[in-house]
Amino acid sequence: DAKTTQPNSMESNEEEPVHLPCNHSTISGTDYIHWYRQLPSQGPEYVIHGLTSNVNNRMASLAIAEDRKSSTLILHRATLRDAAVYYCILQLNYGGSQGNLIFGKGTKLSVKP
Amino acid sequence: DTEVTQTPKHLVMGMTNKKSLKCEQHMGHRAMYWYKQKAKKPPELMFVYSYEKLSINESVPSRFSPECPNSSLLNLHLHALQPEDSALYLCASSLRQGSGYGYTFGSGTRLTVV
Repeated sequence: DAKTTQPNSMESNEEEPVHLPCNHSTISGTDYIHWYRQLPSQGPEYVIHGLTSNVNNRMASLAIAEDRKSSTLILHRATLRDAAVYYCILQLNYGGSQGNLIFGKGTKLSVKP
Repeated sequence: DTEVTQTPKHLVMGMTNKKSLKCEQHMGHRAMYWYKQKAKKPPELMFVYSYEKLSINESVPSRFSPECPNSSLLNLHLHALQPEDSALYLCASSLRQGSGYGYTFGSGTRLTVV
């Protein structure tokens, strides 16, 4: 399975931007980068995904390095509701696991008031 | 409708019981998934259905039996479970199976096997 590396935990202050890093050095040219988050006692929630270009939506921005070996999820103004585990996932475009989301350990984000 | 609905939200069952978990979506998604999540661990993929046909079984024990009766409904039938099967069972769907499609997850069924 394609592997991603994320910090185990990060802290942020409320109303400040948060940059969550992810390394994925084994990415191939057609693999998508997905981010999901999971609040306590809930199912994972889609945040954003991209292939090569940076992406923006109402929840966050995804900045993808030029060589695609790393990416950063940006929350522009953290709120207490953003405290969750954030998963960076490579969605493979080949082989038996094509399209499947295989979760790694994720980053637990804490937001301080 | 942009949701995946899972029922029941909580289930307690004995090791000799037979029960079923239900998952429903009305977004026109043709790929549906079952995941298992133990406490403080990431979700693990169990089964993938594509166009109502089982596409992937991640070596799940036969005491878990999935079923996809139509494009909106996914069931997980449980029989003779063990206490170690206690977990949060998550259902998800995507427009198609394949790269580039985001998943919508339900809020899960918390299963306790006694």
